[in-house]
Amino acid sequence: ELKVEQNPLFLSMQEGKNYTIYCNYSTTSDRLYWYRQDPGKSLESLFVLLSNGAVKQEGRLMASLDTKARLSTLHITAAVHDLSATYFCAVDMNRDDKIIFGKGTRLHILP
Amino acid sequence: GAVVSQHPSWVICKSGTSVKIECRSLDFQATTMFWYRQFPKQSLMLMATSNEGSKATYEQGVEKDKFLINHASLTLSTLTVTSAHPEDSSFYICSARWGADEAFFGQGTRLTVV
Repeated sequence: ELKVEQNPLFLSMQEGKNYTIYCNYSTTSDRLYWYRQDPGKSLESLFVLLSNGAVKQEGRLMASLDTKARLSTLHITAAVHDLSATYFCAVDMNRDDKIIFGKGTRLHILP
Repeated sequence: GAVVSQHPSWVICKSGTSVKIECRSLDFQATTMFWYRQFPKQSLMLMATSNEGSKATYEQGVEKDKFLINHASLTLSTLTVTSAHPEDSSFYICSARWGADEAFFGQGTRLTVV
């Protein structure tokens, strides 16, 4: 059974600091997603990672994937208050027709 | 990215009634649709996976007679919550994809049962 573990689950940080959110998963995956969710809203797609060593960047966010270690990271550079949200990773297993989410990381950036 | 539309965005219903939520892929055909439930401040829990023309596959612990899923066409799947009770109040989100392609998520439906 696929397990997806995210850490930390809660993160409070100062503006301007850097931090990394980790997503570990237990079996081989076909695709890994990162999403942002604001309170009361649905998901906003941030990144889709397909292959080992994939790295994608958008603004202050950068995501990477290591399929051998079954690990993805979401790195935040010089955080700003607008990045406060909950971030989810989700692992796609085509052969089992499932997309399983991590528990999410609630990020609170202090001005 | 592709567009997945859910309707309604929010619904309030009385306890004991049934409510139907629609999930449509607007600009692509979806061979597979996923239904998730999200309680406040929790993650998305996969309820079931549906393939067009086939019966849905439900996750363990999800009552198939209570949460009826119909994937009747390549652009539409419906989730019907039957005999809804207050504990069914939640945020329901669907996702759709073609084959093994990237999945796209709807905007969600907030169900409140009173």
